[in-house]
Amino acid sequence: NAGVMQNPRHLVRRRGQEARLRCSPMKGHSHVYWYRQLPEEGLKFMVYLQKENIIDESGMPKERFSAEFPKEGPSILRIQQVVRGDSAAYFCASSPRKEETQYFGPGTRLLVL
Amino acid sequence: DQQVKQNSPSLSVQEGRISILNCDYTNSMFDYFLWYKKYPAEGPTFLISISSIKDKNEDGRFTVFLNKSAKHLSLHIVPSQPGDSAVYFCAARLAGGTSYGKLTFGQGTILTVHP
Repeated sequence: NAGVMQNPRHLVRRRGQEARLRCSPMKGHSHVYWYRQLPEEGLKFMVYLQKENIIDESGMPKERFSAEFPKEGPSILRIQQVVRGDSAAYFCASSPRKEETQYFGPGTRLLVL
Repeated sequence: DQQVKQNSPSLSVQEGRISILNCDYTNSMFDYFLWYKKYPAEGPTFLISISSIKDKNEDGRFTVFLNKSAKHLSLHIVPSQPGDSAVYFCAARLAGGTSYGKLTFGQGTILTVHP
């Protein structure tokens, strides 16, 4: 059973460009969570999605960030008009039900030049 | 507002001895606690968890203790092995509501186990 998959593993963008990060949950998992880790900090919750629904987006910046988890295909975290402060590691996690343990992917390391 | 705190940025232990990693929290509504281990350039790996209705959970070399009155939990690793060297994060989850899926993480403790 493959684990949580994220791609790309590394992404370099110039200021003002768009970044798209993808997450494929573990097989049988319909709950997806996105977290961000800034340098020298712990992981910070961004958004929790279930298939086609955003359940909790309380950690998402109000502008430029959006997330989706369509009926078919991976979950996408989209960052428009990236700025240097968006440089971080973005982790996706999944679980089969909301009360169950979250399992993390390897992360996407975004560098904004 | 840091609701989950790991006050020791690093811990160094000799192989074979006990490693004790500590975590404090402030929100009494947290009902479930987890420990994750993270190697550089990888995602966090789940280690062990504990529900707020328990005070101890054990899995092989790993034991987590929860002291609700003190809002404190700790992870014990016995015996420590060099492969345990990693960053350890504690995380907490709120009971119920739409925040149910949200984990709040501490800042992490770097554990180094010397041969």
